[in-house]
Amino acid sequence: QQQVKQSPQSLIVQKGGISIINCAYENTAFDYFPWYQQFPGKGPALLIAIRPDVSEKKEGRFTISFNKSAKQFSLHIMDSQPGDSATYFCAALPKAAGNKLTFGGGTRVLVKP
Amino acid sequence: DAGVIQSPRHEVTEMGQEVTLRCKPISGHNSLFWYRQTMMRGLELLIYFNNNVPIDDSGMPEDRFSAKMPNASFSTLKIQPSEPRDSAVYFCASRPDSSGNTIYFGEGSWLTVV
Repeated sequence: QQQVKQSPQSLIVQKGGISIINCAYENTAFDYFPWYQQFPGKGPALLIAIRPDVSEKKEGRFTISFNKSAKQFSLHIMDSQPGDSATYFCAALPKAAGNKLTFGGGTRVLVKP
Repeated sequence: DAGVIQSPRHEVTEMGQEVTLRCKPISGHNSLFWYRQTMMRGLELLIYFNNNVPIDDSGMPEDRFSAKMPNASFSTLKIQPSEPRDSAVYFCASRPDSSGNTIYFGEGSWLTVV
């Protein structure tokens, strides 16, 4: 059972464009939603994260939008750059201590120069 | 901080051979995770340790897989005997404590079983 559904699987965007990746979840016990960025040959690394008490969080060109009622959250990459080309994973973590992170299936983003 | 250190980075082995992957978590972190990444199944959690004790091994695919954490600074994931379908990237990750949120991944061990 896939608890966090991510779309699209892949995305091609022109330099300067906006990349948008969407995730949906079912488990209302989730209360922490990070995004991880993975470059080829590397491990995933935390990019940005949000808790459900806010609807948006922005760090530089990266913004998470969170819709608690719809149980959806999304990552927006503004002014996309070729260096942003990577695979992006959304994830969700339940509130209870010691619980494990559940990852979405990943989105491969290619930014064309 | 050296980060999570994994070895070997790449391994090619023949079917039926034993494979041992090694991990050194970030110093002071007391949660350790082993993940497997494939194109078909994405990132799958295999096993999770807290304070060197296995907490959840429900993701371990079958008895051919085993993991140990003999001390706070070392863990192994062993596959015996290995099969071609075990070919994947295996990531070790650590987290500061059981209530922390951010997990830190190593660079992975790329396993090919021929």
